[in-house]
Formats: sequence, C-alpha cells, structure tokens
Amino acid sequence: QQQVKQSPQSLIVQKGGISIINCAYENTAFDYFPWYQQFPGKGPALLIAIRPDVSEKKEGRFTISFNKSAKQFSLHIMDSQPGDSATYFCAPGNFGNEKLTFGTGTRLTIIP
Amino acid sequence: GAGVSQSPSNKVTEKGKDVELRCDPISGHTALYWYRQSLGQGLEFLIYFQGNSAPDKSGLPSDRFSAERTGGSVSTLTIQRTQQEDSAVYLCASSFGGADTEAFFGQGTRLTVV
Repeated sequence: QQQVKQSPQSLIVQKGGISIINCAYENTAFDYFPWYQQFPGKGPALLIAIRPDVSEKKEGRFTISFNKSAKQFSLHIMDSQPGDSATYFCAPGNFGNEKLTFGTGTRLTIIP
Repeated sequence: GAGVSQSPSNKVTEKGKDVELRCDPISGHTALYWYRQSLGQGLEFLIYFQGNSAPDKSGLPSDRFSAERTGGSVSTLTIQRTQQEDSAVYLCASSFGGADTEAFFGQGTRLTVV
C-alpha cells in the first residue's frame, strides 16, 4: 500500500505569515503532485498541482516546491489570510496507480 | 449537472436501519470514489470504481457496507444495520481516471445514526 505522510497535522499561522505544509511519499514512479483544499462543510477541491519536470510552481500566493531526491513536496502559502483557514490534503500519484491516495490532512488556522 | 451531486445532503437514521446514499458523478468521468470523513478527521477511502473493471473494495470497513455503480454512472453506497460509529460525512468524487487526474468532490452526505 502506498504511504503518503503529511506534516504537520495542524498549523497555526498569524495573518501575513508563511504557511508551509509538507508531503512525503514512497513511490518514485509518482509524477503528479497535487494539493487539495477543504473548507468546513465542503468537499475537497484541487488547489494547485505540479508535474516533476519543474521543481516549483507558483499560482498567486500558493507555491508548490518539489524535491524529487527527497521524495517530498510542499505547499507554501505566502501572506496567509484568515480565508486560507482550511484542511489541506496532498494526493501524489501517477497513471499507473489505480486510485488516488490522500495524505492524512493538515488543518491550517490563520489568526488575525 | 456541472458538478458531482450527492443526495441526501443530510440523513438521520435509527441504529439498525439500512441507508442508501447516492452519488451522481460528472458526465464522462470513468472513475468514482467513495470516502468517509469523521469530524475533523482525514479522508478514509471506502471503494473505487474505474470503468468496467472490478471495483476496489479494499476500504470497506465491514460487510455491512456495499456499493454499486449502475451503467458506469450513478453510484449508491448502502450501509446495512447502521451503527452509531457509522456517523460521518460520506464524500463521493469522480475523475477521468487514474491517480494523475483531478478528482472532483461532491458536498457530501452527513449521516447521523441515533
């Protein structure tokens, strides 16, 4: 069974600060590295994703950094806002995997 | 519809009763997933359908749980003889298949067993 480990389990960041969430995986064949965002009462939704041909992808305040040798990728939220408070899941995979495998989730709270 | 639709949105049932939860995936999506999420917890995989392949039932917690997907579209998750520990939000997701494609989630069904 694929192992996907997220850290930290929960995170509190002050408004304006940088939030960093990490995801570690085992399968070196993975070639798709997404982060999902879930607000209370809603299903998760894709936030940002990266392919391994690049080491970093930025979309607005959200950045994915990918470290192939360490088998890790991380989500950075710059200038964190209270509206970013949510649970974040990574779900690395590739076409060879039959199904998605989600990480354990990180509950992010941004305080004023 | 434009997104994944789940019904009912809320269900309260008595312990020991059977319940059926429905998922209507995005048209054209070949993959369909069911997950369970307890309050404040992560996503617990239940079952995965992909095209005409045999479903991956490896996440079903007991034989009281079953799911079917008719005509490669609508799916029904059935829980027989419900127990209080079955109380959770049941989420359905669909995608074009494979673990390298975006999964679209429904809003979930909140099941409460009293």
